[in-house]
Amino acid sequence: DAKTTQPPSMDCAEGRAANLPCNHSTISGNEYVYWYRQIHSQGPQYIIHGLKNNETNEMASLIITEDRKSSTLILPHATLRDTAVYYCIVLNQAGTALIFGKGTTLSVSS
Amino acid sequence: NAGVMQNPRHLVRRRGQEARLRCSPMKGHSHVYWYRQLPEEGLKFMVYLQKENIIDESGMPKERFSAEFPKEGPSILRIQQVVRGDSAAYFCASSPPLGNTYNEQFFGPGTRLTVL
Repeated sequence: DAKTTQPPSMDCAEGRAANLPCNHSTISGNEYVYWYRQIHSQGPQYIIHGLKNNETNEMASLIITEDRKSSTLILPHATLRDTAVYYCIVLNQAGTALIFGKGTTLSVSS
Repeated sequence: NAGVMQNPRHLVRRRGQEARLRCSPMKGHSHVYWYRQLPEEGLKFMVYLQKENIIDESGMPKERFSAEFPKEGPSILRIQQVVRGDSAAYFCASSPPLGNTYNEQFFGPGTRLTVL
């Protein structure tokens, strides 16, 4: 199974952009990258996913490098409610399960 | 459209008892996944089910754990003879039929199991 690597923690000032990096150098050509977040002890919340092209939705933007070895999740205007653990995820080889690592704990402060 | 529902939200059992966790997927979703999260760790996949079928149980412990998703009713994760190490948050997720190459899963709020 492909693996992802993320920094354990990041800080961001409220109102600024939060850029969360992820390394997935072993990803194969047809594997999607997914981002989820977990606020406190709630169930993980889907944010965005992408394959090759950059993606944007109402929550965030996803920038994937041309070689697909890494990606960056961008929260354009972070708020205190964005404080959470952010997971960069790929599927297992069977395509059935999300593989969660330890994620990045993002702390947004005023 | 209601999201994924899980109950109970909190469950306390004594060692040796049975725990039953229930999950109702989102409307229109026919695929259910169970994950376990131990304290201070990320989620770990346990099992993937469709109606009346277990598709992938590669993450399930070999003993005491079982899962089902009957034709009618919620999916059930059953843990027999619980031990303290079973204390964790158990999350259920659901997805629509996998017609696309991506697999977007929506999670419920979880059941927190405490074994005394």
